[in-house]
Amino acid sequence: DAGVIQSPRHEVTEMGQEVTLRCKPISGHDYLFWYRQTMMRGLELLIYFNNNVPIDDSGMPEDRFSAKMPNASFSTLKIQPSEPRDSAVYFCASTTSGMALGGTQYFGPGTRLTVL
Amino acid sequence: RKEVEQDPGPFNVPEGATVAFNCTYSNSASQSFFWYRQDCRKEPKLLMSVYSSGNEDGRFTAQLNRASQYISLLIRDSKLSDSATYLCVVQGGKLIFGQGTELSVKP
Repeated sequence: DAGVIQSPRHEVTEMGQEVTLRCKPISGHDYLFWYRQTMMRGLELLIYFNNNVPIDDSGMPEDRFSAKMPNASFSTLKIQPSEPRDSAVYFCASTTSGMALGGTQYFGPGTRLTVL
Repeated sequence: RKEVEQDPGPFNVPEGATVAFNCTYSNSASQSFFWYRQDCRKEPKLLMSVYSSGNEDGRFTAQLNRASQYISLLIRDSKLSDSATYLCVVQGGKLIFGQGTELSVKP
């Protein structure tokens, strides 16, 4: 079975450009999470969805960040405009209600974003 | 104060050594606790849950002390393949990850 799929795997862009990160969760999973990982701050939850509805976006750093989940098999995280401090690895993860109780989340391979 | 705190390490140990990682959490209402493992430049993966009574999975033993808000992970007979970053995770609704403890097992 395919795991969580993220694209692109690497993105290098210039400050001020729009960046769109994409995620396909595992089929049948009803929770989807977006995380950001940096050396300084570790792994931080940005936003999560349940049944395509955003539940908690308190981790979204500012209005430059937005996330959507138009259907059960696709989500995007957009940064506009991007800044050098947005450079990080962005992970998408998915799980089911039952597995969530057991702390299980399945992470994608991540998108390594560099903003110059 | 961070919600979940870990010693970042790195812990450099020889093969066969026993190594212990500690973690503290600030929210006494936290419900569940886990250890995740993250290999270099890879995604985190669930290693094991942590129960108040303590639990073992092969060479790995996890313990929870709710009164002290303290979690531990013990690795016995460490292998080269155990080299990774170990993330302490606390659940109170969503998962809160510690920054991780890096382990390097040397031949």
